[in-house]
Amino acid sequence: NAGVMQNPRHLVRRRGQEARLRCSPMKGHSHVYWYRQLPEEGLKFMVYLQKENIIDESGMPKERFSAEFPKEGPSILRIQQVVRGDSAAYFCASSPPGLSSYEQYFGPGTRLTVT
Amino acid sequence: AQSVTQLDSQVPVFEEAPVELRCNYSSSVSVYLFWYVQYPNQGLQLLLKYLSGSTLVESINGFEAEFNKSQTSFHLRKPSVHISDTAEYFCAVSEPGGSYIPTFGRGTSLIVHP
Repeated sequence: NAGVMQNPRHLVRRRGQEARLRCSPMKGHSHVYWYRQLPEEGLKFMVYLQKENIIDESGMPKERFSAEFPKEGPSILRIQQVVRGDSAAYFCASSPPGLSSYEQYFGPGTRLTVT
Repeated sequence: AQSVTQLDSQVPVFEEAPVELRCNYSSSVSVYLFWYVQYPNQGLQLLLKYLSGSTLVESINGFEAEFNKSQTSFHLRKPSVHISDTAEYFCAVSEPGGSYIPTFGRGTSLIVHP
């Protein structure tokens, strides 16, 4: 059973470009979460999605950031018009339905560098 | 809202010495508790969890944590650490029946010296 897949692992964008980060959850997992990690700042929750639904986006910046989890295909975190402050590691996690929904399985992350 | 405190941002220790990484949470209601480990340039991995039952939980690589309800703590311990245990450790809390989104602590960097 493959783990959570994220791609690309590293992404370099110039200021003003768009960044698209992809996440494929583990097989059988219907919940996807996105987090941002900055050095010395820990892990910050961004958004929680189920198939075709955004459940909680309380951690998402109001502008330039969006996320989706379509019926088919991976979850996408999209950052428009990137700025240097968006440079960070972005992690996706998934969890199965039921009681185990409280356990999260993380992908290896995408390290975004904005130049 | 829950909060999780990991008081030690960094814990240096020599190989084969014991270690304790501290975690305290704010709520006195029922909780689910987790420790995650993050090795350099990798994602977080679930190390161990407390959902119910025995308050002492163990991982396959020798770590253990004890749920202490009266002190609202879930400290992580290992009697003898290895170089390979060098990593970032995150404590996390969820509330049964509540959101599936855990509250994470800021992390503790365990640095094992030879």
